[in-house]
Amino acid sequence: NAGVTQTPKFQVLKTGQSMTLQCAQDMNHEYMSWYRQDPGMGLRLIHYSVGAGITDQGEVPNGYNVSRSTTEDFPLRLLSAAPSQTSVYFCASSYMGTAEAFFGQGTRLTVV
Amino acid sequence: GQQVMQIPQYQHVQEGEDFTTYCNSSTTLSNIQWYKQRPGGHPVFLIQLVKSGEVKKQKRLTFQFGEAKKNSSLHITATQTTDVGTYFCAGKAGNTGKLIFGQGTTLQVKP
Repeated sequence: NAGVTQTPKFQVLKTGQSMTLQCAQDMNHEYMSWYRQDPGMGLRLIHYSVGAGITDQGEVPNGYNVSRSTTEDFPLRLLSAAPSQTSVYFCASSYMGTAEAFFGQGTRLTVV
Repeated sequence: GQQVMQIPQYQHVQEGEDFTTYCNSSTTLSNIQWYKQRPGGHPVFLIQLVKSGEVKKQKRLTFQFGEAKKNSSLHITATQTTDVGTYFCAGKAGNTGKLIFGQGTTLQVKP
């Protein structure tokens, strides 16, 4: 059972480039979320989804887009990368709204 | 919007000393969860508290949820070097699915 799989693990982008961070889960969880982790800031919610076709903004959504076409996948798109988006990104999923969240291994993104 | 504050940000203790981290929410929570993140790792679920005034124990760890469901604490008795990491509280308000994390408390334990 793979759980939550994030790819890539590491990425370096130039300012203005676009990319998609992939997240897939095989637990049939309805809820999926994206967080970014910066020193001293904890985990901040970017976007989340309560099921296929439904997404909503979190605390820091600007500069990021998401879609949820299937239950399994929840990609995060950076349309025009900025140095301020240098961070570690975590995808998480959970069964229903109040159950424990399972996290992926994270993607370390550097924007130069 | 919903905010979850956690203190202290860092704590250095001698092995065997106790440790406590506190979590406060700006809104009433439907539940609160605690996670541990080892250095270089990802957050891992520890426990969930749902009821007002609830207290749960896991070996040397004691978790409390306040009566007003707006604050929580994690207490570790007699810390060990294996307790090193960052402890996060995370709260949900209502059934939106939005899980908001505190800033975390990073625990260092000196052997």
